Amino acid sequence: SQQGEEDPQALSIQEGENATMNCSYKTSINNLQWYRQNSGRGLVHLILIRSNEREKHSGRLRVTLDTSKKSSSLLITASRAADTASYFCATDAWAAGNKLTFGGGTRVLVKP
Amino acid sequence: EPEVTQTPSHQVTQMGQEVILRCVPISNHLYFYWYRQILGQKVEFLVSFYNNEISEKSEIFDDQFSVERPDGSNFTLKIRSTKLEDSAMYFCASSEGGPRSEQYFGPGTRLTVT
Repeated sequence: SQQGEEDPQALSIQEGENATMNCSYKTSINNLQWYRQNSGRGLVHLILIRSNEREKHSGRLRVTLDTSKKSSSLLITASRAADTASYFCATDAWAAGNKLTFGGGTRVLVKP
Repeated sequence: EPEVTQTPSHQVTQMGQEVILRCVPISNHLYFYWYRQILGQKVEFLVSFYNNEISEKSEIFDDQFSVERPDGSNFTLKIRSTKLEDSAMYFCASSEGGPRSEQYFGPGTRLTVT
């Protein structure tokens, strides 16, 4: 089944460092979206990358997509304490309509 | 910036009771969704809704669940007879178009069934 899985499950870094997390999935996708979730709160949309795109930037975020490896990475540059959150990838596929399939998330702790 | 809103933020109910969770999607969006997240687990798809009908639903979305768009702005999720295992955070989402559209999520309703 199509499924996004993030790696690592948890990441602890110092403020100013870069944070990189990866997402793998199993079946062909339309899009891959990254979300942020602060503890017990809602999902904030960060970035969408389409299956025909290889890289996208948004502010301090850089997302790559390698459809041959069925994987994506999210890089947060110059991290801040406010970046502390869980980060999820979510995929959708032609065969699955518009529904998103989420991974288990990466918990990122940015220490001041 | 337009956003998806949900009410209530927290709902406590007794097992067997009916609950209605409410959502106001972003106004020009056409596709609406409900997801849930049991504490410590992944976000799971429940149902998608387009053109006043369900377009897809998951195995979780059984006969106890229903959705409705009662007017031009609200989108509701009803659970007819709640079970303990329905305790979760329920998220509403909306998107402008179908495939290749970002889905924007509301802040969620935390449902606690006692």
